[in-house]
Amino acid sequence: DTGVSQDPRHKITKRGQNVTFRCDPISEHNRLYWYRQTLGQGPEFLTYFQNEAQLEKSRLLSDRFSAERPKGSFSTLEIQRTEQGDSAMYLCASSLGTRTNQPQHFGDGTRLSIL
Amino acid sequence: QQQVKQSPQSLIVQKGGIPIINCAYENTAFDYFPWYQQFPGKGPALLIAIRPDVSEKKEGRFTISFNKSAKQFSLHIMDSQPGDSATYFCAAHDRGYSGGSNYKLTFGKGTLLTVNP
Repeated sequence: DTGVSQDPRHKITKRGQNVTFRCDPISEHNRLYWYRQTLGQGPEFLTYFQNEAQLEKSRLLSDRFSAERPKGSFSTLEIQRTEQGDSAMYLCASSLGTRTNQPQHFGDGTRLSIL
Repeated sequence: QQQVKQSPQSLIVQKGGIPIINCAYENTAFDYFPWYQQFPGKGPALLIAIRPDVSEKKEGRFTISFNKSAKQFSLHIMDSQPGDSATYFCAAHDRGYSGGSNYKLTFGKGTLLTVNP
């Protein structure tokens, strides 16, 4: 049973560049979440997919951020025109959507550093 | 607006001690309360979780105590070991306006636990 996989693990880029991260959830999981974690803080919710539908976006997700899950499997998170404040760990999680609560399982994240 | 308040920020115990981490919440729409353990450079890993209709849950050396009326819950780690040294996060599931459960997680700020040998 493979866990949530994220790629790349680390990304260093110059301010103003665009970056894209990929998340592969656990295979049978239909729900996928993106979170952002800064140093010394807990993860903060960014957005949520059920299958291919993006059902919720946090106010943290500015217009420069876009997320997709085109076939209800893997997801991508793109940040355009990166800023210093975008430096963070971007975490992906997945869960099996049922009528009862199912735990969210996290990947090891992509650490973004903006020079 | 911090919806889940976690304390202490850091905690040091000796091997074999019982660290206790506390969390409090305000939002009565929270309906599921997981705890996560995170090591440096890794993602959060689920430890144990509880629903508000249960007052206590044990899994191995980890116990959650839940007080619904006080809107507080805590994590106890029995017989703590140096390998338990990590950051621990409490969290809460929010139903959100999608109407379904298992929606987004709201996390506390974390507790850095150090277990000395």
